Amino acid sequence: QKEVEQDPGPLSVPEGAIVSLNCTYSNSAFQYFMWYRQYSRKGPELLMYTYSSGNKEDGRFTAQVDKSSKYISLFIRDSQPSDSATYLCAMRKGTSYGKLTFGQGTILTVHP
Amino acid sequence: GAVVSQHPSRVICKSGTSVKIECRSLDFQATTMFWYRQFPKQSLMLMATSNEGSKATYEQGVEKDKFLINHASLTLSTLTVTSAHPEDSSFYICSARSVEGAGEKLFFGSGTQLSVL
Repeated sequence: QKEVEQDPGPLSVPEGAIVSLNCTYSNSAFQYFMWYRQYSRKGPELLMYTYSSGNKEDGRFTAQVDKSSKYISLFIRDSQPSDSATYLCAMRKGTSYGKLTFGQGTILTVHP
Repeated sequence: GAVVSQHPSRVICKSGTSVKIECRSLDFQATTMFWYRQFPKQSLMLMATSNEGSKATYEQGVEKDKFLINHASLTLSTLTVTSAHPEDSSFYICSARSVEGAGEKLFFGSGTQLSVL
């Protein structure tokens, strides 16, 4: 079983839709959770970084963490074609700064 | 934001040759850099942690003699794939940790697509 599970999609939505992306994990030692956006053949770009359970909002993005269920989500409101990319969840343990465990990534396409 | 430059972006080589990939932090000092590998339709997998001035730490299953890592300065880490074989064909990405300021500051290069013929 993979430590981090993420549905690879692909996911296709119309412009303006709310997008929901999710990951589950099995290792309770993960304490820090991140969402990255990766355009084709580019390095991942950090979107959201969270530590505690609950919600964190940044513009059109909301990250949600439920440690009791080992489940994290990223919501994108008012999605735009420019949001089309691969979204990767990532997480790490408390003492392993920078050593991230990634999900497989979800390919998202927002069509006009 | 901070920039990490990775070079080359794409390389094609013959089986048995060695390939060097460079990762540079352009506007910050990176005491620690990380090397990841990504096979098609799979997640990024950490290969090794590179610390400036010391030996790299490799993840389980990664051959240290095959993937040579050198972190000779605070702004440069290199990954050399020695005696490359077709199964080494993959997307290699570096990341650099900035210790300036607070918070999680980890920046990724643009990656190198290695194709071994």
